[in-house]
Amino acid sequence: DQQVKQNSPSLSVQEGRISILNCDYTNSMFDYFLWYKKYPAEGPTFLISISSIKDKNEDGRFTVFLNKSAKHLSLHIVPSQPGDSAVYFCAASGGATNKLIFGTGTLLAVQP
Amino acid sequence: DGGITQSPKYLFRKEGQNVTLSCEQNLNHDAMYWYRQDPGQGLRLIYYSQIVNDFQKGDIAEGYSVSREKKESFPLTVTSAQKNPTAFYLCASSIPWGTGVPEAFFGQGTRLTVV
Repeated sequence: DQQVKQNSPSLSVQEGRISILNCDYTNSMFDYFLWYKKYPAEGPTFLISISSIKDKNEDGRFTVFLNKSAKHLSLHIVPSQPGDSAVYFCAASGGATNKLIFGTGTLLAVQP
Repeated sequence: DGGITQSPKYLFRKEGQNVTLSCEQNLNHDAMYWYRQDPGQGLRLIYYSQIVNDFQKGDIAEGYSVSREKKESFPLTVTSAQKNPTAFYLCASSIPWGTGVPEAFFGQGTRLTVV
């Protein structure tokens, strides 16, 4: 049973436009959600997080929105740049541990 | 510079052999984790440790073993019982639960190939 789902394996956008990556979850006990960016053959790097008590968090070009009633979160990248091309993972944490449960990832391609 | 070091970057193993992947961190983190990535799949948790001398199984622990004798080190042994060990292995560490955002810091990974 997959608790964190990213239903879009890939996304292609034009440089300068908005990229929207989506993530759904099933466990209402999650209290933190995180987004990671990953290049092939490298470890993931942390992008942005949101606590379950908030509905929005912004950091530069990156904004994460959380809709708890729908158990859905999204990452917005504005404006998108070619260097943003990578796999993006959604992750969630909850319970008395910081272990992260990851989605399957979305490959973002930003076209120049 | 603080960080997580995984070694080696590439590892080849013959079928039936055990192999140990190294993970060392100098971030002074209490918690450490091992994940596995396969093509088209997310990162799946193998084992995690919240404190020295203690560790718990993750979602796919069968065929793996770990130890946590020092805070800085969390080696993973892939045993011959692991049916499909060829994968990209990632080690991570984080602050203790309840002390802030549970951001995990990852190493650069080890690519294990069974030949």
